[in-house]
Amino acid sequence: QQPVQSPQAVILREGEDAVINCSSSKALYSVHWYRQKHGEAPVFLMILLKGGEQKGHDKISASFNEKKQQSSLYLTASQLSYSGTYFCGTEIQAGTALIFGKGTTLSVSS
Amino acid sequence: GAVVSQHPSRVICKSGTSVKIECRSLDFQATTMFWYRQFPKKSLMLMATSNEGSKATYEQGVEKDKFLINHASLTLSTLTVTSAHPEDSSFYICSAREGSMVQYFGPGTRLLVL
Repeated sequence: QQPVQSPQAVILREGEDAVINCSSSKALYSVHWYRQKHGEAPVFLMILLKGGEQKGHDKISASFNEKKQQSSLYLTASQLSYSGTYFCGTEIQAGTALIFGKGTTLSVSS
Repeated sequence: GAVVSQHPSRVICKSGTSVKIECRSLDFQATTMFWYRQFPKKSLMLMATSNEGSKATYEQGVEKDKFLINHASLTLSTLTVTSAHPEDSSFYICSAREGSMVQYFGPGTRLLVL
């Protein structure tokens, strides 16, 4: 039931773009994206509900393809502050606990 | 966004003792809180779902007698690790759901059992 994230790790230079994918074998109600820095708690980025919507703020956006049960997180013109581990959390029914993928580690260097 | 606090942030205890971790939603009421455990460089593993006024729902493989969860009010859930052993050392994180949507995480508690 754990969603599958890919890639496991990404190394970027400032200004480069990245895409992180999250796939589920089960039908999803929503997908939540978080970023976690070392030793800290995950910070909420955005939530996508079934219906195939796309969301974004600043240079981070995400989409949810309901047919494929796949969500993608897009990071454009990456900044040093984008470094961290990105987790997707999936929800199969409204109000239930999130099940998290194994995470994608993003390293941005100058 | 909403704020969730956890206390203590770090605790070191001797093997065999019990440790209580508090999770509070500071500016919203949370009918449901969640407890996760995270090992270094690993994902967040759901331990249990805590509902205000009722028994917690534990995930498969999580010992309910070892990890006691109490959700006494709409803003407070506690996790007690009973008779802690070195293998219980981990990063414990709670989260609370605001309404039925976003789940906000507390800052986590790092437990080290000697």
